[in-house]
Amino acid sequence: GQQLNQSPQSMFIQEGEDVSMNCTSSSIFNTWLWYKQEPGEGPVLLIALYKAGELTSNGRLTAQFGITRKDSFLNISASIPSDVGIYFCAGPGDSGGGADGLTFGKGTHLIIQP
Amino acid sequence: KAGVTQTPRYLIKTRGQQVTLSCSPISGHRSVSWYQQTPGQGLQFLFEYFSETQRNKGNFPGRFSGRQFSNSRSEMNVSTLELGDSALYLCASSLGATNTGELFFGEGSRLTVL
Repeated sequence: GQQLNQSPQSMFIQEGEDVSMNCTSSSIFNTWLWYKQEPGEGPVLLIALYKAGELTSNGRLTAQFGITRKDSFLNISASIPSDVGIYFCAGPGDSGGGADGLTFGKGTHLIIQP
Repeated sequence: KAGVTQTPRYLIKTRGQQVTLSCSPISGHRSVSWYQQTPGQGLQFLFEYFSETQRNKGNFPGRFSGRQFSNSRSEMNVSTLELGDSALYLCASSLGATNTGELFFGEGSRLTVL
């Protein structure tokens, strides 16, 4: 099945810093999604991208759908304590065995140091 | 608008037992999908139901099953529990096809198998 490789696995940053993370795939995705999960909660959709080259913002978050359709990037500007959590990239497609659920990356753990 | 509700939130079972988890989607949402989240494998798609029919299935053994009722509520069942089934089971709902990627997740049911 398809796999999504997210990097970095974790980030330790200072409040106020900008954050960049990315997601790559060995196969083409027609949609890229970014979710955030906080402790004790389910993932929450942050940004959805539907077109190659698309750049979309949601407040301090900006995500881009790579031109090759095999990658996507998420940037967070001027991080604040509530940005702490696990960020997942995801895309619909073959999860293995012909299924069409979302395939998720392993996540980027964002930790903000005081 | 009420979110996705999952019950129970926490449960402990022993090997060989079976478990049933319940999910009530957002009102008006007809699609319900289930995901298993573990530290090692991350988020993995289990199955998706739409209008009481299983539309897609992930790469999990037959011990994992589910169903959807006419009011869109869904249940998933795991029989003959194994230690490796310990995980957070997340339910997500959407208006229609989950391939749009815009899923609304519940808080999950955390299953511990002893």
